[in-house]
Amino acid sequence: SQKIEQNSEALNIQEGKTATLTCNYTNYSPAYLQWYRQDPGRGPVFLLLIRENEKEKRKERLKVTFDTTLKQSLFHITASQPADSATYLCALGDGSGGGADGLTFGKGTHLIIQP
Amino acid sequence: DGGITQSPKYLFRKEGQNVTLSCEQNLNHDAMYWYRQDPGQGLRLIYYSQIVNDFQKGDIAEGYSVSREKKESFPLTVTSAQKNPTAFYLCASATTGVYEQYFGPGTRLTVT
Repeated sequence: SQKIEQNSEALNIQEGKTATLTCNYTNYSPAYLQWYRQDPGRGPVFLLLIRENEKEKRKERLKVTFDTTLKQSLFHITASQPADSATYLCALGDGSGGGADGLTFGKGTHLIIQP
Repeated sequence: DGGITQSPKYLFRKEGQNVTLSCEQNLNHDAMYWYRQDPGQGLRLIYYSQIVNDFQKGDIAEGYSVSREKKESFPLTVTSAQKNPTAFYLCASATTGVYEQYFGPGTRLTVT
């Protein structure tokens, strides 16, 4: 069955450093991968999307890489700030619905940026 | 003010009762989704709809039902057949060809 693994333990990073979150998957051939941010008791918010034929995407302080050979995505937050503290979810889509298909989510990584 | 609304924020029901969760969007999105989230878990897809009057089962559709009579609305009914209905329910919408999903604030359902 499809499986997505994210760092199960909380990730503690000092303010100003780069936070790197990992998403590994098995038994899946995603057409694209997305990263979302979720704050406690709220719905996820979309951050970045990367397609299977792309290696890297950037948006401001965020960078995501996608290695379909390793079946892994890395999500980086540079110059991290306490406001970046949240749970970050990795989600995969198979592209069958022209981008409107449902997503398969990982359990998320709880990131804590300490001042 | 565009977005997705879910109501109510908190919902309490007795075991054996059906309950309907509301989801409305004014983003003119074609596709709508329902996910369930349990503590410490990722989101799991219940149902999704890519067009009015059509919907597909997700990974955990058993015990749930949906309808899509209007583009703006995608209500979810949690039936008494759902074994563990207590959870955080999230509705989302998206435009076909644009892959990001917009999520509502969620409804926390507690069944006792």
